[in-house]
Amino acid sequence: ETGVTQSPTHLIKTRGQQVTLRCSSQSGHNTVSWYQQALGQGPQFIFQYYREEENGRGNFPPRFSGLQFPNYSSELNVNALELDDSALYLCASSPGTSGRNEQFFGPGTRLTVL
Amino acid sequence: AQKVTQAQTEISVVEKEDVTLDCVYETRDTTYYLFWYKQPPSGELVFLIRRNSFDEQNEISGRYSWNFQKSTSSFNFTITASQVVDSAVYFCALRSEDSNYQLIWGAGTKLIIKP
Repeated sequence: ETGVTQSPTHLIKTRGQQVTLRCSSQSGHNTVSWYQQALGQGPQFIFQYYREEENGRGNFPPRFSGLQFPNYSSELNVNALELDDSALYLCASSPGTSGRNEQFFGPGTRLTVL
Repeated sequence: AQKVTQAQTEISVVEKEDVTLDCVYETRDTTYYLFWYKQPPSGELVFLIRRNSFDEQNEISGRYSWNFQKSTSSFNFTITASQVVDSAVYFCALRSEDSNYQLIWGAGTKLIIKP
């Protein structure tokens, strides 16, 4: 069973640019959540996708957008990058949206905005 | 409002000591789920345990144990006979209908185990 994978591992961008991060969910999982984790802090929920539809969103501006594909993999897009967007971006998959489901996390993408 | 508080920012102990990580939560829901995750220096969050609000039994898994007390809204985590490999940041998290089942995270406790 393949776990959650993310690409790229590290990324350096400059302010104002756009970035796309990718996530492959664990086999059999139809739900993907994205989190932003700033240095020294807990993760912050960005949004969740369930069967290709956005199924919940945290307190992030519209320049954070996403997609989920028929194979349940997902992308996180961030437009007009700001310095504060520098963080570890974590993707998690789960076998549904129920609160009881644990989420399985990928290794993350470390984004640095200069 | 949903909230998770991990008051201990950093704990440092010598190997083989027991250590307890505190977690206090707030929710208005009667049905909710509590989680502990471990984040080693590599960055990947590793699931440790889930507890639902109807199950107050304490859990023991090897050197790890969890004490869930609804009366004090706490879900504390104890490592017995700590080892250097236990060094990591540990997060407590909460999910409930009130948060649309989003995971609400504490700020984490950095645990340093010295040899």
